[in-house]
Amino acid sequence: DGGITQSPKYLFRKEGQNVTLSCEQNLNHDAMYWYRQDPGQGLRLIYYSQIVNDFQKGDIAEGYSVSREKKESFPLTVTSAQKNPTAFYLCASSLVGRDTQYFGPGTRLTVL
Amino acid sequence: EDQVTQSPEALRLQEGESSSLNCSYTVSGLRGLFWYRQDPGKGPEFLFTLYSAGEEKEKERLKATLTKKESFLHITAPKPEDSATYLCAVSSAGGTSYGKLTFGQGTILTVHP
Repeated sequence: DGGITQSPKYLFRKEGQNVTLSCEQNLNHDAMYWYRQDPGQGLRLIYYSQIVNDFQKGDIAEGYSVSREKKESFPLTVTSAQKNPTAFYLCASSLVGRDTQYFGPGTRLTVL
Repeated sequence: EDQVTQSPEALRLQEGESSSLNCSYTVSGLRGLFWYRQDPGKGPEFLFTLYSAGEEKEKERLKATLTKKESFLHITAPKPEDSATYLCAVSSAGGTSYGKLTFGQGTILTVHP
């Protein structure tokens, strides 16, 4: 079955650590996205990529970094510069030219 | 700047009691309006895309409609399994963020048996 996988489901980070969230898709989509979801707020875009080896900052990119070395993969690193990283992180993908995005199951990151 | 406002924030219904959720939007040229369903602790599940005013789409007990300023998600004879958070999002023709979606904060629907 085609879909988007995210790992791990739960992640705990100590203060000052960098952590990397995985996102893989086998939908043959060109575009991939990372969102952050906080209680009572809408999803906010962190980074997006429309093609391999290219990506753009979203609305809240500070303290995050990404790479896009393969079409299927778009990992997100939450750096120690992100002051409030505790949140639910969602990865999505779409066909370029089609705005409908499909989401993965999410990773819940908690800072200890 | 694109804006999306959903109302109400929370809605409690009895099983079989039909109602509607509202999504008001402000965009510089609408490319599409999207409805998603999200269960607790899970990723959003795509429901509908609407592209132009007057368009309607249906799926089981759900029907989405679109005007130039808002969209409604009508739920007919809901069942407890329809309980979830319903998210609305828009994409616009303006700006440089091609394909970017702007989300509302969601409506939490609870259907009691």
